[in-house]
Amino acid sequence: DVKVTQSSRYLVKRTGEKVFLECVQDMDHENMFWYRQDPGLGLRLIYFSYDVKMKEKGDIPEGYSVSREKKERFSLILESASTNQTSMYLCAASETYNSPLHFGNGTRLTVT
Amino acid sequence: DAKTTQPPSMDCAEGRAANLPCNHSTISGNEYVYWYRQIHSQGPQYIIHGLKNNETNEMASLIITEDRKSSTLILPHATLRDTAVYYCIVRSLKTSYDKVIFGPGTSLSVIP
Repeated sequence: DVKVTQSSRYLVKRTGEKVFLECVQDMDHENMFWYRQDPGLGLRLIYFSYDVKMKEKGDIPEGYSVSREKKERFSLILESASTNQTSMYLCAASETYNSPLHFGNGTRLTVT
Repeated sequence: DAKTTQPPSMDCAEGRAANLPCNHSTISGNEYVYWYRQIHSQGPQYIIHGLKNNETNEMASLIITEDRKSSTLILPHATLRDTAVYYCIVRSLKTSYDKVIFGPGTSLSVIP
């Protein structure tokens, strides 16, 4: 089974800090995704990547950037954290464009 | 926007079949239907997917209508552990550039 690991389960940061959320997959999958999940809003796509150094914006990219220097790692960066970025962040990977997504267990980020 | 619509919530008696509907009236010929579920505080878990034929695995069955505009996920003998939010999504089988968008899903409550 694919293992998608998110580096932190819980994270507390201050407003204005630069925040890195890390995601690692162990199966050489091409596609990786970052979502945020908020009550009543479901999962919203922030960014995705279909290859090393390639990235595409999702529905809510504002305030975020991403980095994929190696195939197994996809990082989400909050350049200057704000309180409205308090959320559950979920990373996913899929082997190709027509394969199931495999999710990590999420990072619950609180920005104070 | 999500390409699927689902009822926001459903109840099912334990031991009975749970039938979860999904409407995807704008689905195109090169898109699969995927189902995931999310148990509280975990990342979503892949259940099943299909293109136009009915599919069955150890977790569930997927029935897709002939015109492909809707589908039903069937959990044949629901247990309390099946209480979760169920997401139906469509995903292109031809391109990596396709956003994978989740709607709000259906919250299934299995009642003893």
